[in-house]
Amino acid sequence: DGGITQSPKYLFRKEGQNVTLSCEQNLNHDAMYWYRQDPGQGLRLIYYSQIVNDFQKGDIAEGYSVSREKKESFPLTVTSAQKNPTAFYLCASTLRRPTNEKLFFGSGTQLSVL
Amino acid sequence: QKEVEQNSGPLSVPEGAIASLNCTYSDRGSQSFFWYRQYSGKSPELIMFIYSNGDKEDGRFTAQLNKASQYVSLLIRDSQPSDSATYLCAVRTGTASKLTFGTGTRLQVTL
Repeated sequence: DGGITQSPKYLFRKEGQNVTLSCEQNLNHDAMYWYRQDPGQGLRLIYYSQIVNDFQKGDIAEGYSVSREKKESFPLTVTSAQKNPTAFYLCASTLRRPTNEKLFFGSGTQLSVL
Repeated sequence: QKEVEQNSGPLSVPEGAIASLNCTYSDRGSQSFFWYRQYSGKSPELIMFIYSNGDKEDGRFTAQLNKASQYVSLLIRDSQPSDSATYLCAVRTGTASKLTFGTGTRLQVTL
């Protein structure tokens, strides 16, 4: 079955530690996105990538980093510079054609600070 | 002013009634509009999208778009308890292929 796989489902970070969230898709989608969701809030865009080896900052990129070495994979690293990382992280993908921006989401990763 | 605004709710409607969810956006150049449903602890799932002014119907759901007034709405007919969720409005703004989300409206369908 085609889809987006995020792992792990739950992740705990110690102070000063970098952690990496995995996102893999087999939908052959060009564009991939990382969103952060805080309780009772909407989704805020962290980073997005429309093509391999290229990515752009979203609205809240500080304290995060990404890479896009393969079309299928778009990992997100939460660095120690992100002082308030506790949130629900969602990875999404879409075909890049202009009228087809329907986002498909992974099941999410809940990150908490120990 | 937020780019995409929604009333956080909760919006409470009795089973069988029509639920009306509203969303306003600030960028007049916005072209694509989406409604996502999100159950607690789960990821959003797309239920409707609309590009042109007017109404678009899909089963019990109707999306309405008014670009002159810069609002988009979602009507849910014959509301069921399983419709109880948070509904997120999303708008594609600017030239980049990215969506801006509202904070969502929590819908409660009561028995």
